[in-house]
Amino acid sequence: AQSVAQPEDQVNVAEGNPLTVKCTYSVSGNPYLFWYVQYPNRGLQFLLKYITGDNLVKGSYGFEAEFNKSQTSFHLKKPSALVSDSALYFCAVRESGNTPLVFGKGTRLSVIA
Amino acid sequence: NAGVTQTPKFRVLKTGQSMTLLCAQDMNHEYMYWYRQDPGMGLRLIHYSVGEGTTAKGEVPDGYNVSRLKKQNFLLGLESAAPSQTSVYFCASSYGETQYFGPGTRLLVL
Repeated sequence: AQSVAQPEDQVNVAEGNPLTVKCTYSVSGNPYLFWYVQYPNRGLQFLLKYITGDNLVKGSYGFEAEFNKSQTSFHLKKPSALVSDSALYFCAVRESGNTPLVFGKGTRLSVIA
Repeated sequence: NAGVTQTPKFRVLKTGQSMTLLCAQDMNHEYMYWYRQDPGMGLRLIHYSVGEGTTAKGEVPDGYNVSRLKKQNFLLGLESAAPSQTSVYFCASSYGETQYFGPGTRLLVL
């Protein structure tokens, strides 16, 4: 069965510093990996995905994520954090194109001015 | 193009009451999903549909029923609400790899 782990419930970072939100996954085949962001009282917004190809994936709002097959990780990164990046971030995985996504428990990112 | 919409936005129920949550999408997506979000639990799949007239159980289907009579609509029903069903419910739809989410319905069961 597929699963996702987000080991940190909360990540705090100063504005302007780089940020990393961690995600590890478990699937039996090739993973389809996703990051979503949720702002307060809103639905989930798609940030980026890895399906195949280059291990470094670039997404919306300056975010990027690196797929590491040997470590089964898909960490979300941004070179310079903004206060407006403060939100709840979810990593998700699926085993094939149209199976339902399985989500991690989420990591709350707080960027402090 | 409204994307994925959910009705209602907020509802308070008493234990034992029934209600239906409506999800609508105007993107002609085949696949639709219902999730619930609870603090510290992430999103958990309740039911999903791979096309009009089809439904399947997800991770936490007990106490819920669904119907997909039209391609653009996916209904989630609670026949007899329980306090454990207090949650935020999200609908999503997809055509390819990416799922697109609605704004959510906040349900409080007293």
